[in-house]
Amino acid sequence: GAVVSQHPSRVICKSGTSVKIECRSLDFQATTMFWYRQFPKQSLMLMATSNEGSKATYEQGVEKDKFLINHASLTLSTLTVTSAHPEDSSFYICSATGGGRDTQYFGPGTRLTVL
Amino acid sequence: GEDVEQSLFLSVREGDSSVINCTYTDSSSTYLYWYKQEPGAGLQLLTYIFSNMDMKQDQRLTVLLNKKDKHLSLRIADTQTGDSAIYFCAESLEGNMLTFGGGTRLMVKP
Repeated sequence: GAVVSQHPSRVICKSGTSVKIECRSLDFQATTMFWYRQFPKQSLMLMATSNEGSKATYEQGVEKDKFLINHASLTLSTLTVTSAHPEDSSFYICSATGGGRDTQYFGPGTRLTVL
Repeated sequence: GEDVEQSLFLSVREGDSSVINCTYTDSSSTYLYWYKQEPGAGLQLLTYIFSNMDMKQDQRLTVLLNKKDKHLSLRIADTQTGDSAIYFCAESLEGNMLTFGGGTRLMVKP
């Protein structure tokens, strides 16, 4: 299989703090990782694409200084939501591909609640 | 442009077949996927079909692809209550990028 994990699964933080979400590929080397955001009852919205060792490519309308993405190794990418506000509350899902795989494998998601 | 559309909601009785439909616009798609999302969970890859295939069957799941009409469907035979979830179709383009439909919420009544 191709297993992708995320940590934490759920986080509640105060407005103004920063939150880091980890995405790991457990049994394959992920040359590319994707970060999505999902609002309730909506589809996934791609935020950014990151290739290992390179800067992330952000989709239009996504603030790169607010959503910091680091993909420092072939098995780990992190998303840091800086100075979080209540409107950043959402479900964040990562996915990974690589190692000859021709599809994305998704993590279980992280629910962020900003109070 | 890229646009993937699905109906929002489908309700069936347990034991019946469910058919979830999807239309897409980009004829250069290489693969088309069906994902299942249960409440509060990530996406689970159910099945996929290569764009030069018409049909793929995997146990209770049958995928039909009409490339001319750019129409994709997922049939679930003998639908169970555990099949209740949101189903997303997606098309893949270059670099394994995915474009998702809006999702179809399947409700299975006992």
